[in-house]
Amino acid sequence: GAVVSQHPSWVICKSGTSVKIECRSLDFQATTMFWYRQFPKQSLMLMATSNEGSKATYEQGVEKDKFLINHASLTLSTLTVTSAHPEDSSFYICSASPGQGPRGPQHFGDGTRLSIL
Amino acid sequence: AQSVTQLDSQVPVFEEAPVELRCNYSSSVSVYLFWYVQYPNQGLQLLLKYLSGSTLVKGINGFEAEFNKSQTSFHLRKPSVHISDTAEYFCAVSETGGAQKLVFGQGTRLTINP
Repeated sequence: GAVVSQHPSWVICKSGTSVKIECRSLDFQATTMFWYRQFPKQSLMLMATSNEGSKATYEQGVEKDKFLINHASLTLSTLTVTSAHPEDSSFYICSASPGQGPRGPQHFGDGTRLSIL
Repeated sequence: AQSVTQLDSQVPVFEEAPVELRCNYSSSVSVYLFWYVQYPNQGLQLLLKYLSGSTLVKGINGFEAEFNKSQTSFHLRKPSVHISDTAEYFCAVSETGGAQKLVFGQGTRLTINP
């Protein structure tokens, strides 16, 4: 149980294009979803937290207009990297939680490797 | 704010030997503690967590960790490792009264040699 699917797993695109990454909770309803960014051989940095039906809360230093997050349903959140540039290349990971407060679990997707040429 | 320090970026170990991966944290409020494992090109899988109660926590794949409040540590141990344990391991914390936001350490690359 508690499966989170992230799609696509790998994407390569040209500089200036926009890329959408999907995060789906397959067997539970995700009250909250989180988006992380991971640089090579580094830790995960939280980018934003999204709750279904409300605007995402972005961490300090993350550009809201650059990284658009939509959490339209209890099973789907999307991250759109707008006008992507080579410096946006990274490994993006989502996680989903069924809630239950601070003790609630987070279930992670397998990540999306984004390469901007 | 919280911070997590994993003291070793890389730990090489021979197969069937014991291993300890160190984690220290800093926080002005009480926290929950987690260990996650990441295999290449994959997301994170929860190994174990400390929420309350017994300070010795047992997780999956034979791993365990001990919460030491006075030393603000949460070291991960396994008495006998296997080749399949080769992966990146992350220690993380979240505020007990917070919004589930995880703060991760830098990660420790565990390499098991035959």
